[in-house]
Order: sequence, then C-alpha cells, then structure tokens
Amino acid sequence: KAGVTQTPRYLIKTRGQQVTLSCSPISGHRSVSWYQQTPGQGLQFLFEYFSETQRNKGNFPGRFSGRQFSNSRSEMNVSTLELGDSALYLCASSLGLAGRSYEQYFGPGTRLTVT
Amino acid sequence: GQQVMQIPQYQHVQEGEDFTTYCNSSTTLSNIQWYKQRPGGHPVFLIQLVKSGEVKKQKRLTFQFGEAKKNSSLHITATQTTDVGTYFCALPVGSNYKLTFGKGTLLTVNP
Repeated sequence: KAGVTQTPRYLIKTRGQQVTLSCSPISGHRSVSWYQQTPGQGLQFLFEYFSETQRNKGNFPGRFSGRQFSNSRSEMNVSTLELGDSALYLCASSLGLAGRSYEQYFGPGTRLTVT
Repeated sequence: GQQVMQIPQYQHVQEGEDFTTYCNSSTTLSNIQWYKQRPGGHPVFLIQLVKSGEVKKQKRLTFQFGEAKKNSSLHITATQTTDVGTYFCALPVGSNYKLTFGKGTLLTVNP
C-alpha cells in the first residue's frame, strides 16, 4: 500500500506570495491533518479534514486555509507569506479522526522557505 | 484550556543506559499516542494507550498509561544508537478530539 505523499517536497517563496501544498493520503483513509513543524515550536496543529469537512482547526491566522476533495486528497494554502512561515509542513492521514484513537501516517513533508 | 507537558526536552545517554520520557495532561484523557521522529524524517506512530493503568511493550520499549489517565511514559531499556530521535506524545483535546502533540523529547545516544 502506498504511503502518504506530499508535493512539492521543497519550495522557496518570497514574502507576500502565496503557496499551495498538496497531500495524497493512504488509500481508504478519510482523515487528513496538517501540521507545521519548526525547531522552536515543535509540531503545531493546523487543521484536520474528514469527508471534505474541516473538523478541527489550530491557532493559526486566516492566511492558512485548507480543503479536502472527494477522493480525500487535501491541499493547504498560505497567502501573503511571511518569513515566519518558513517551516516543514507535514500531512498525516488516518482512517478516522486522529484523536479518536486512529493512528496517523505522516508524509515526508514539504520544506517551505520564505525569503 | 488543556495543558500538555512533555519532559524532559532533551536527554543524552550513553549507549546501554535507560531512557524515560513523560507526558502529563491537566485533564483526563480518552487515549494517548506516541510517535518517534528520526532526524531528518517524519513522525512514525509507535503505540496507542486507551485503558487506565495500561502497560504495553515493544521489545525494549515500555509504554504506560497512568491510573488517572492524565499521564503517560515511554521507557527504553538499554538504549541503542538506533533509538536516536524525538519522541512525541499526542493526545486528543476538546470535543472534536483534536490531536495535540507534546513538545517532544530529543534523545541522543553516545556510542
């Protein structure tokens, strides 16, 4: 069974631009979660989608948004990029809502650098 | 709101020594998960604990869930260099069970 895939793997953007990251979950998984990982803040939860509906949201500004498609694939968008958005963005999929005792499988992440 | 504390933040050991990381919550948990992230890698699921006082073992790793379901620990016996990485606990927060990760414990092992 193929794992979670994320594209692109690396991205360099300049301040003020926007970016879209993509995540393809494991086949059959209906929940997709997104995390931002930085050395100082650890793993910060962004949002979780299940059956195309956002079920949970972290404490990030409205510049961060996401969506999930009917095939469970998910995208996240960051508009008006700031230097502080430089991070590793991880996507994870699970059969059901992760907090309801479903283990998550993480993708390799997208390394975003904002200059 | 619910507080998640994971300690220690860093732990350096000599190969063969034991290692323990602790995760504490301010509220009672329905379950807790543990993940490991190797340097340069992504988090990998290790185990989930659900029952009060539960103890699970995976080779040299022992996971415990507290009787009050407010704390958990991961203990590694006789560490090896392959154990290097950051260990995270993750627990559900709120009515929608948002999975929240602790800050993690970075384990380094001196061969």
